[in-house]
Amino acid sequence: EVQLVESGGGLVQPGGSLRLSCAASGFTFNTYWMHWVRQAPGRGLVWVSRIESDGSTATYADSVKGRFTISRDNAKNTLYLEMNSLRAEDTAMYYCARAQHYYDSRGYFRNTPYFDSWGQGALVTVSS
Amino acid sequence: DIVMTQSPDSLAVSLGERATINCKSSQSILYSSNNKNYLAWYQQKPGQPPRLLIYWASTRESGVPDRFSGSGSGTDFTLTITSLQAEDVAVYYCQQYYSTPYTFGQGTQLEIK
Repeated sequence: EVQLVESGGGLVQPGGSLRLSCAASGFTFNTYWMHWVRQAPGRGLVWVSRIESDGSTATYADSVKGRFTISRDNAKNTLYLEMNSLRAEDTAMYYCARAQHYYDSRGYFRNTPYFDSWGQGALVTVSS
Repeated sequence: DIVMTQSPDSLAVSLGERATINCKSSQSILYSSNNKNYLAWYQQKPGQPPRLLIYWASTRESGVPDRFSGSGSGTDFTLTITSLQAEDVAVYYCQQYYSTPYTFGQGTQLEIK
C-alpha cells in the first residue's frame, strides 16, 4: 500500500524557516517525480513545487521561487521542502503527492503529473 | 499560467439524482502528439487530502465507483455523478497537468438537497 506521511509542520514567525518531510513507503520511490501542493484554510489547492525522480531538476511556483527548496533523499525514501522567509500568506496545509508517469511507444519516460497518492498533510502557520 | 474555472461554485442535488460540474481551461489542454487531454478531477472531503477520481479527462482511477465519469476535450470538461450518494458530499476540483504551474479550479461544493 502506498503511504506518504508528512511531518515538520508548526507555528513559525514571519521571516522564519521550517523544513517539511514526507516519508514514502509501499512503492519504488526513486522512480517517481514528487510534488508539494498546499491549501490555505478554507481555500483551494495550489501547486507549489516538483522534483524529478533522481533529484536533478526542480520547478517552483512563482509565489515560492527563491524562498522554498524541494529536495529528496532516495536512500531514505523521503521528500523535503525547505521553507525560508516565510510569510503569513504561506499559512496552509502542505501535502506531498506522487505524480504518475508512463512510457511511450518508443520507451521514453513521459511525466504526467496527476496526483494518485497524497499524504495527510502538514499544517504550517506563519504568525507573530 | 493556465486558468481553470469551475462552475457552479456550489451545487445541491437530491439523493439518487445526477450532479454535473463543469471546468473550463483558459487554453487548450489537449496535447496533439498523443491526443490526450491533460485534465484530472479530485474529490476532497472535510479533513482529508484530495482523492484522485479521473485522469486523462475521462479515465476512472482504480476503485472509483462507476457513477463518476468525466468527459470533454480541449478547453471544456465535465464531471458527472449519476445517482448521487450521501458519501459523495465533498468539494470537487479539476486540475490541468499540461504545463507548469499546474493549476486547479477553485472547487465546487456538492451538497445534498
